Amino acid sequence: DQQVKQNSPSLSVQEGRISILNCDYTNSMFDYFLWYKKYPAEGPTFLISISSIKDKNEDGRFTVFLNKSAKHLSLHIVPSQPGDSAVYFCAASGDLSGSARQLTFGSGTQLTVLP
Amino acid sequence: EPEVTQTPSHQVTQMGQEVILRCVPISNHLYFYWYRQILGQKVEFLVSFYNNEISEKSEIFDDQFSVERPDGSNFTLKIRSTKLEDSAMYFCASSISTGAEAFFGQGTRLTVV
Repeated sequence: DQQVKQNSPSLSVQEGRISILNCDYTNSMFDYFLWYKKYPAEGPTFLISISSIKDKNEDGRFTVFLNKSAKHLSLHIVPSQPGDSAVYFCAASGDLSGSARQLTFGSGTQLTVLP
Repeated sequence: EPEVTQTPSHQVTQMGQEVILRCVPISNHLYFYWYRQILGQKVEFLVSFYNNEISEKSEIFDDQFSVERPDGSNFTLKIRSTKLEDSAMYFCASSISTGAEAFFGQGTRLTVV
């Protein structure tokens, strides 16, 4: 049951260029989407989020786009830097029955930024 | 910057033994979570905790698992009788509100032998 899918396990980009990481979801109840970055042997680090009432959110070099009709979101990193090399996880949450929202994660995309 | 801290960073235990994984969430956060990541697989939700009770739990969180907030700062995950398949990275997370982003600890690597 893959409610959140990241179909590209890896992506390589030249330093200074744009990195585009993609994520698809199937559950219409999801209304909040997040991107996390993870280095080996560390926990996920929150990067940026977007609510379903928006279609774009920007924070410095990071921009997240949400296309609700296509159930698709993407993370743009521009310009990409070697320090951005990490695994990027897409996550989603929805207004489910519980009061504390769980996150459903995608499988991650390994981004490698080449100097 | 406030952070979620987890101890120990690595725990090796024999199958059938009990383990307790400890977490100190960010102090003003109200929602607490445990996730795990088996090597090579997705990060999976285990349980969420709010107002001193479990809010949601996944199918993974069976009777062998329990959580507790024994005092005002710690949040623990206990696995009563560990199995080989419990070997994974266990991440604690906390958030200030239900709609806000969760901040993760650095994880505890549990190895069951």
